[in-house]
Amino acid sequence: AQSVAQPEDQVNVAEGNPLTVKCTYSVSGNPYLFWYVQYPNRGLQFLLKYITGDNLVKGSYGFEAEFNKSQTSFHLKKPSALVSDSALYFCAVRDKRDDKIIFGKGTRLHILP
Amino acid sequence: EAGVAQSPRYKIIEKRQSVAFWCNPISGHATLYWYQQILGQGPKLLIQFQNNGVVDDSQLPKDRFSAERLKGVDSTLKIQPAKLEDSAVYLCASSLDQRGLYGNTIYFGEGSWLTVV
Repeated sequence: AQSVAQPEDQVNVAEGNPLTVKCTYSVSGNPYLFWYVQYPNRGLQFLLKYITGDNLVKGSYGFEAEFNKSQTSFHLKKPSALVSDSALYFCAVRDKRDDKIIFGKGTRLHILP
Repeated sequence: EAGVAQSPRYKIIEKRQSVAFWCNPISGHATLYWYQQILGQGPKLLIQFQNNGVVDDSQLPKDRFSAERLKGVDSTLKIQPAKLEDSAVYLCASSLDQRGLYGNTIYFGEGSWLTVV
């Protein structure tokens, strides 16, 4: 069965510093991987996804993520954090062999001014 | 392009009452999802439709929850009777997902916030 883990409940980063939000996954086949962001009282907004090809994926708002097959990870990164990046971030995995998608429990990102 | 529309945005009901949520997916999207998100947790899939057929409803509490997607477009999720633990955000989402192509992005609505008192 597929699963996704976000090991950190909360990440605190000073504004202007680089940020990383961790995600590891487990699937039987090859994965599709997604990152979403959720602001207070809002739905989930798509940030980026890995389907195939280049392991480094660039997405919205300056975010990027690197697919690492050997470590089964898909960490979200940004070179310079903004206070407005403070939100709840969800990693999700979809097995290419079926259409089920599983979400992680989320990581709350706090960017400190 | 219009996004996923949901209504109502907020609902407060007493336990044992019923409630219905409506969703209109992005035009042309074959797959429609209903997720339940309890505060502080990730979304949990309740039911997934491909056109008007059910793909997965394994986590839907069928004794009190029901959902339909007539004509393969709009969908309604109903809870009857509601329990206190049903207090959550109910997220509708859709994706293009033609048969065999599952790499498409899932787009979410703003959610319907349910409080059961």
